[in-house]
Amino acid sequence: GEDVEQSLFLSVREGDSSVINCTYTDSSSTYLYWYKQEPGAGLQLLTYIFSNMDMKQDQRLTVLLNKKDKHLSLRIADTQTGDSAIYFCAEKERDNYGQNFVFGPGTRLSVLP
Amino acid sequence: NAGVTQTPKFQVLKTGQSMTLQCAQDMNHNSMYWYRQDPGMGLRLIYYSASEGTTDKGEVPNGYNVSRLNKREFSLRLESAAPSQTSVYFCASSERNRENQPQHFGDGTRLSIL
Repeated sequence: GEDVEQSLFLSVREGDSSVINCTYTDSSSTYLYWYKQEPGAGLQLLTYIFSNMDMKQDQRLTVLLNKKDKHLSLRIADTQTGDSAIYFCAEKERDNYGQNFVFGPGTRLSVLP
Repeated sequence: NAGVTQTPKFQVLKTGQSMTLQCAQDMNHNSMYWYRQDPGMGLRLIYYSASEGTTDKGEVPNGYNVSRLNKREFSLRLESAAPSQTSVYFCASSERNRENQPQHFGDGTRLSIL
């Protein structure tokens, strides 16, 4: 089956930039997503990028997509303690039933004061 | 502005007991999903329902059954709970026929099987 991979942990200092990386295998993916999960809560959509785009910026968030290498990254500028969470990369692929989402294992971001 | 609502939020069961996890969405979405989340393994799809009246197995369906009761509700049943089913369960919904629509998640049900 299709696979999405992420490193499991990342630590940064408050005020620095965080870069969370993701690789995926399905070249037919139409959209790629970043979700944030805070402790004890469900996943919340942060941002998404269409597969024909290279970059998308939304305030402190920058998403970069290298379709050739099937590599997606999320950059968080000026990281704050409130950004501490688990970040999931997900791809949406087509199947006979319409669509299917495949999630990575999540990257736990720790922001140190 | 409820979105996806899951009940209960927490549950402790003994091995062999049965229970049903409830999920309802108020966004008129066609597709609904059940995932389990285990440490270091991300989300694994248990079952999904592409539209009302249909259900299909995901990656880890064994030990579970589902019912798409109507467009709003999608329930997950454990007939005979096992300790390996201790996990956090998430329900999600999405609009199948719109390309850029992500999944919307509930807050999860934390289930412990003793």
